[in-house]
Amino acid sequence: DAGVIQSPRHEVTEMGQEVTLRCKPISGHDYLFWYRQTMMRGLELLIYFNNNVPIDDSGMPEDRFSAKMPNASFSTLKIQPSEPRDSAVYFCASSLSRQEQFFGPGTRLTVL
Amino acid sequence: RKEVEQDPGPFNVPEGATVAFNCTYSNSASQSFFWYRQDCRKEPKLLMSVYSSGNEDGRFTAQLNRASQYISLLIRDSKLSDSATYLCVVNSLTNAGKSTFGDGTTLTVKP
Repeated sequence: DAGVIQSPRHEVTEMGQEVTLRCKPISGHDYLFWYRQTMMRGLELLIYFNNNVPIDDSGMPEDRFSAKMPNASFSTLKIQPSEPRDSAVYFCASSLSRQEQFFGPGTRLTVL
Repeated sequence: RKEVEQDPGPFNVPEGATVAFNCTYSNSASQSFFWYRQDCRKEPKLLMSVYSSGNEDGRFTAQLNRASQYISLLIRDSKLSDSATYLCVVNSLTNAGKSTFGDGTTLTVKP
């Protein structure tokens, strides 16, 4: 199994630009999670989906952030417009029936 | 108060030492428990699940105390390669599939 796949692995952009992060979960998993990790705030859950339906987006910082899961094998996290304080590592994870989560390698985002 | 709390450390121990981490959780409806390991600049990876009866995997032992609402991780004969951050994770019935992660405990094993 390929595991959770994320792209891009690194993204450097300028303030105000739109950023789109992508995730392919493990085939057959029914939960998908988006996290953000910084030194100051640790690992934060942004949003999660069950069977492609958003269940809890209370962790999304503000309206600049949006996430979609159009099908079971693909999800996106979009930031528009991006700000320097959005710089972080963004992880996608998937799980089967609320068991242990498997994380992707993360996207390291730098907003200048 | 955070839902899952860990001592951030750092724990600095010599090779061969035994080290233990505790993690407390506040939601009494918590149902399943895990320890994850995260290496520097890498993603978290499952180390082991924690079962009610306690479980062991080689040098690692995990235990659950529901009455006191804490879980523990014991590492025996620590190796240099055990240096990492250890994250405590709790799932609860009231959170419908969501996992709550602790902030992690950093371990450094020195020669």
